[in-house]
Amino acid sequence: DAGVIQSPRHEVTEMGQEVTLRCKPISGHNSLFWYRQTMMRGLELLIYFNNNVPIDDSGMPEDRFSAKMPNASFSTLKIQPSEPRDSAVYFCASSLPRGLEETQYFGPGTRLLVL
Amino acid sequence: DAKTTQPPSMDCAEGRAANLPCNHSTISGNEYVYWYRQIHSQGPQYIIHGLKNNETNEMASLIITEDRKSSTLILPHATLRDTAVYYCIVRGNTDKLIFGTGTRLQVFP
Repeated sequence: DAGVIQSPRHEVTEMGQEVTLRCKPISGHNSLFWYRQTMMRGLELLIYFNNNVPIDDSGMPEDRFSAKMPNASFSTLKIQPSEPRDSAVYFCASSLPRGLEETQYFGPGTRLLVL
Repeated sequence: DAKTTQPPSMDCAEGRAANLPCNHSTISGNEYVYWYRQIHSQGPQYIIHGLKNNETNEMASLIITEDRKSSTLILPHATLRDTAVYYCIVRGNTDKLIFGTGTRLQVFP
């Protein structure tokens, strides 16, 4: 299995531009999680989906952030407009239903720099 | 979910056992203790989890005290590749993992 796939791995953009981060979960996993990691705030959960449905988006910082999961094999996290304070590493993770397996598998992350 | 407390950093000599402590004094009966680690520039990696019994797998052992208020992750023979930030997480009846600041383990030759 290829594991969780994220793209792009690195993104540099200018303030005000739209940024779209992509994630392909492990095949067969029905839960998908988006995290953000910064030096100041550590690793934070932004939003997670079960069976393509958003369950908890309480970690999404503001309306500039949106996430979608149109099907079981693809999710996007969009920032529009982007700001320098959005610079961070964004991780996607996936898992099987809790009770079948307890492990979240993380992707390699997308390093975002907003100038 | 219960809060966890870990030392910010620890050192360990290569080949020796690394014992990483975690306090979770407010843990409730249905909450599990999870350990993840994050090697520099990579995504977090699951290590082990347990409820009240001690657990062992190919990566590590988890020792949970009888009152469940603390636990210790043991890497029996640490290698340089075990240098990472180790996160102790208490997880209840939820899909969410709440990461704290973790312990930065430095394994030296």
